[in-house]
Amino acid sequence: QVQLVQSGAEVKKPGASVKLSCRASGYTFSNYFLHWVRQAPGHGLEWVGIITPSTGDTTYAQSFQGRVTLTRDTSTSTVYMELSSLTSDDTAVYYCARENGSCDSWGQGTLVTVSS
Amino acid sequence: QAGLAQPPSLSKALRQTATLTCTGNSNNVGYQGAAWLQQFQGHPPKLLSYRNNNRPSGISERFSASRSGNTASLTITGLQPEDEADYYCSAWDNSLSAWVFGRGTKLTVL
Repeated sequence: QVQLVQSGAEVKKPGASVKLSCRASGYTFSNYFLHWVRQAPGHGLEWVGIITPSTGDTTYAQSFQGRVTLTRDTSTSTVYMELSSLTSDDTAVYYCARENGSCDSWGQGTLVTVSS
Repeated sequence: QAGLAQPPSLSKALRQTATLTCTGNSNNVGYQGAAWLQQFQGHPPKLLSYRNNNRPSGISERFSASRSGNTASLTITGLQPEDEADYYCSAWDNSLSAWVFGRGTKLTVL
C-alpha cells in the first residue's frame, strides 16, 4: 500500500534552517507529484510547494519563495524540504502528500518547533 | 495568496444532512473543481473527494461533492458522531500556480 514516512520532530532556533524528509513506498515514485503542506497549531492547512519526482521541477508558494527548497533522491524514493531563516511563525506540522487527482496519501507529519 | 472561503463552523443533529460550502473563483474552484479533506485532531488530512465528486476507494457514499460555478459543496448524509471533524476544501489555482485551501469548517454533530 502507498506509504509516506516522514522524519522525526525538530526543534530549531530562530534564524536556523531545517531539512525534513518524506520517504515514499508502495508505488512508482517517479509517477506522482509530491506536495508539502504545513499546519500551524490551531490553524488550517497552508501549501508550501510541489515537486515533480521524475524531473526535480519545483513550484513554491509565493509566501515561501526564497526560503524553501524541495529536492528528491530517486534512488531512495525520498523527497526533502529545506526551510531557512526560521521564525516562530514557522512552528507547525509539516506534511508531505502524494497527488493522484488530488492529495490521496499523506505522511504522518513532522512537528517543527522554532524557539529560542 | 488568496484562499477559498468556508464557514468556520456548522452544527447538525445526528442522522441529519450537512452541506458544507467552499467559494472560490474561476481560476480555482471554477477551473478544475475542488477537493475535500477531513481531518481529526492530531491526524493528517484524509481525502474524501476530488474534482467535484470523485471518491477514493473506501470513502463512504454518505459523502458526496458537487460544484455550481465557483462554489463547491460537500454533502454528508445520515450524520454520525464519527463525522465530527474539520473539513477543508482545496483547489489548484491556475493563475497563482499554487494549491489553495479554505480555512476549514468545524462540523459538530449534536
